Amino acid sequence: GAVVSQHPSWVICKSGTSVKIECRSLDFQATTMFWYRQFPKQSLMLMATSNEGSKATYEQGVEKDKFLINHASLTLSTLTVTSAHPEDSSFYICSAHLGNTQYFGPGTRLTVL
Amino acid sequence: DAKTTQPPSMDCAEGRAANLPCNHSTISGNEYVYWYRQIHSQGPQYIIHGLKNNETNEMASLIITEDRKSSTLILPHATLRDTAVYYCIVRVAGNQFYFGTGTSLTVIP
Repeated sequence: GAVVSQHPSWVICKSGTSVKIECRSLDFQATTMFWYRQFPKQSLMLMATSNEGSKATYEQGVEKDKFLINHASLTLSTLTVTSAHPEDSSFYICSAHLGNTQYFGPGTRLTVL
Repeated sequence: DAKTTQPPSMDCAEGRAANLPCNHSTISGNEYVYWYRQIHSQGPQYIIHGLKNNETNEMASLIITEDRKSSTLILPHATLRDTAVYYCIVRVAGNQFYFGTGTSLTVIP
């Protein structure tokens, strides 16, 4: 149980385009989901907290107009990277909160050319 | 900001116990300690968590000091598949996790 999936697992896009990443809790409902970013050889950095039915809460320094988060249902949160640039290339990971624990997705590798 | 500090790397012989330390001296009374591990290019995997008492599950044991300022994750019989980066995390009031730098554990044959 407590499985979280992400789609796509990897994506390559051109600079200036937008990319949407989906995060789904497969066997449970999650009122709260979280989005992280991880650069090579670095730790995970929390980007935002996504609450179903309300606006996401962004961490300091994360541009909310660039990283659009929608938590439309109790099993789906999406992260859209708008007008992507090469510096946005990273590993994006989501997690879903269940009980006392966060369960993480497998991650999405974004490469912006 | 992360409330934990861990050694950057450790080695452990296969079959031996791996003891991974973590300092969290600013932890508040109602904040839990969590341990996750991450194998390269995968999402973090939950291992164990605790508040005050020592905890054990099928994967590991968690020993928390009485003053709660530090803890140790114990993998009783390390295998090559336990090679990963291990993160000790203090969960804050809004359930957010702020990851520190973690410990890269290498299990040696």
